[in-house]
Amino acid sequence: GQNIDQPTEMTATEGAIVQINCTYQTSGFNGLFWYQQHAGEAPTFLSYNVLDGLEEKGRFSSFLSRSKGYSYLLLKELQMKDSASYLCAFLSYNTDKLIFGTGTRLQVFP
Amino acid sequence: DTAVSQTPKYLVTQMGNDKSIKCEQNLGHDTMYWYKQDSKKFLKIMFSYNNKELIINETVPNRFSPKSPDKAHLNLHINSLELGDSAVYFCASSQELRTGTTGELFFGEGSRLTVL
Repeated sequence: GQNIDQPTEMTATEGAIVQINCTYQTSGFNGLFWYQQHAGEAPTFLSYNVLDGLEEKGRFSSFLSRSKGYSYLLLKELQMKDSASYLCAFLSYNTDKLIFGTGTRLQVFP
Repeated sequence: DTAVSQTPKYLVTQMGNDKSIKCEQNLGHDTMYWYKQDSKKFLKIMFSYNNKELIINETVPNRFSPKSPDKAHLNLHINSLELGDSAVYFCASSQELRTGTTGELFFGEGSRLTVL
């Protein structure tokens, strides 16, 4: 079957670093996405990994290990505006089906 | 100049009614989607159309009927609304994701449906 798991909530302090983990199980895998969703708004794309390793994009980095079915999103120099839900999603092989996790709600405190 | 726009943004209606949500994208994408996000914030795919052709149809009650008059539009019609249909419905579009490109989903702002 297909399954994706991430923590429900996390808290962190402004200026700190936080790592949001995501594990997935699927028989066919064609890439992993991270989306950010502020309360009451639409999800917006953050990153895409299809090969193992770390992809860095400014303050945000995303890591993928296909053999372990594992990804993480690393947020550095946290800002108050980073308070949002972070959705992990994998692309089911050979389809346009993006399977989302339940999201991790991150709260950044001063 | 909104890329993916959906209307209405808010919809409050009685149980048993029929309602529609419209979606339009001006990104030139081939694929459009409807996602449902429930009160627990779980985002789940309902339908996907590629060039007006239905390609993903998850286990959704047949009270939900999508229609794609052209590849820039994907509407969602819901018959005999039930309390459990209350959710935020997101329209999205993308280039074909299955080719393994770095394509991403572009979401509309969501339509919050409340069934009383």
